[in-house]
Amino acid sequence: QSALTQPRSVSGSPGQSVTISCTGTSSDVGGYNFVSWFQQNPGKAPKLMIYDVIKRPSGVPDRFSGSKSGNTASLTISGLQVEDEADYYCCSYAGSFSWVFGGGTKLTV
Amino acid sequence: QVQLVQSGAEVKKPGASVKVSCKASGYTFSKYHMHWVRHAPGQGLEWMGIINPSGDSTTYAQKFQGRFTMTRDTSTGTLYMELSSLTSEDTAVYYCGRPIIGSFSLGLDYWGQGTLVTVSS
Repeated sequence: QSALTQPRSVSGSPGQSVTISCTGTSSDVGGYNFVSWFQQNPGKAPKLMIYDVIKRPSGVPDRFSGSKSGNTASLTISGLQVEDEADYYCCSYAGSFSWVFGGGTKLTV
Repeated sequence: QVQLVQSGAEVKKPGASVKVSCKASGYTFSKYHMHWVRHAPGQGLEWMGIINPSGDSTTYAQKFQGRFTMTRDTSTGTLYMELSSLTSEDTAVYYCGRPIIGSFSLGLDYWGQGTLVTVSS
């Protein structure tokens, strides 16, 4: 499968909101409500922020929210904080026990 | 507490194979599927494969089929991956991950610390 499409970078000021998009096809993002989002800091393992499009694991602030429309999923971060600066990756189920990641988005705060 | 502890860094020559382990603790290993994900320098995350709880069923990303093998030892709570015919493009940090039960999202809520595999002549 081809990687999902994410913007290479987004930026925002503290307190603002930003949205990161993740575009796939009807065979992945559009076909299933199984999109997850990960935050990754340099040299660290990724951290799960959203799964099943909209669900937040315990411990993830409610400033992080997910949504989906058609073949595009989105991660919105409201009330930006300096510590939110990181790389963000989306990932979608693509059927037949396979998954595909997006190329990643660098968030600058 | 849940922990996934991976084996140490490896340096391999092109054409060689590498085997990385991931030891689980703090939960019932035999109840969870497990995944491998890699992160090459300057690249994005890449899903590699999944193994079922009993270890008798695996699915690999098409890109790795034929040279990638996942196994698990439920008696020791250890997951393994082996990648053969290595090239410089396989230089990456390899992560094991445990998914949230009951979802087909790649909801990896626990990750190993990563194992750097360097392929160089």
